[in-house]
Amino acid sequence: QKEVEQDPGPLSVPEGAIVSLNCTYSNSAFQYFMWYRQYSRKGPELLMYTYSSGNKEDGRFTAQVDKSSKYISLFIRDSQPSDSATYLCAMSAESGYSTLTFGKGTMLLVSP
Amino acid sequence: GAGVSQSPSNKVTEKGKDVELRCDPISGHTALYWYRQSLGQGLEFLIYFQGNSAPDKSGLPSDRFSAERTGGSVSTLTIQRTQQEDSAVYLCASKSPNEGWGYTFGSGTRLTVV
Repeated sequence: QKEVEQDPGPLSVPEGAIVSLNCTYSNSAFQYFMWYRQYSRKGPELLMYTYSSGNKEDGRFTAQVDKSSKYISLFIRDSQPSDSATYLCAMSAESGYSTLTFGKGTMLLVSP
Repeated sequence: GAGVSQSPSNKVTEKGKDVELRCDPISGHTALYWYRQSLGQGLEFLIYFQGNSAPDKSGLPSDRFSAERTGGSVSTLTIQRTQQEDSAVYLCASKSPNEGWGYTFGSGTRLTVV
């Protein structure tokens, strides 16, 4: 079992839909959770980050962490065609300069 | 510079040749990371440099892979005697001491071994 599991998709939705992206993990030491967005032929860019359990909202994006279930989610409200990208979850046990463990990424396609 | 710069953006090489990939981190970023992203795979950690400390090489897949960082800035990832399984996008990232979360990635070098 890989440390971080993420459905590769693709996930196709119409514009305006609510999107739910998820990752599960096995390492209970993970405390820092991030979501990256990667457009085609570009490097990943940090989208959201959360520490431990709970929710965090930023505009149309909400990140949720459930450490008891080892499950994290990213919700996108009112999805736009410009949201079409690959979304990667990433996590680490420590803050600072520690290396991140990534999921494989979920490809999201939002059609107009 | 404004972001992490990687060169070349694309590289096609013949099996058995050596290649060098370059990364220019954001000025002032003390930490530098190399990751590899293969088709259908997540980002795989390769090596990490932080200031003057010894690099963390724990992710390098074989002794054909090496990296150096000169003057605490530019880094070069070298792959010797390339194999077809080395084909991937090699991503470099850097991190500021004042940046609490995540890294800033470059756009990567797409390496194809034929």
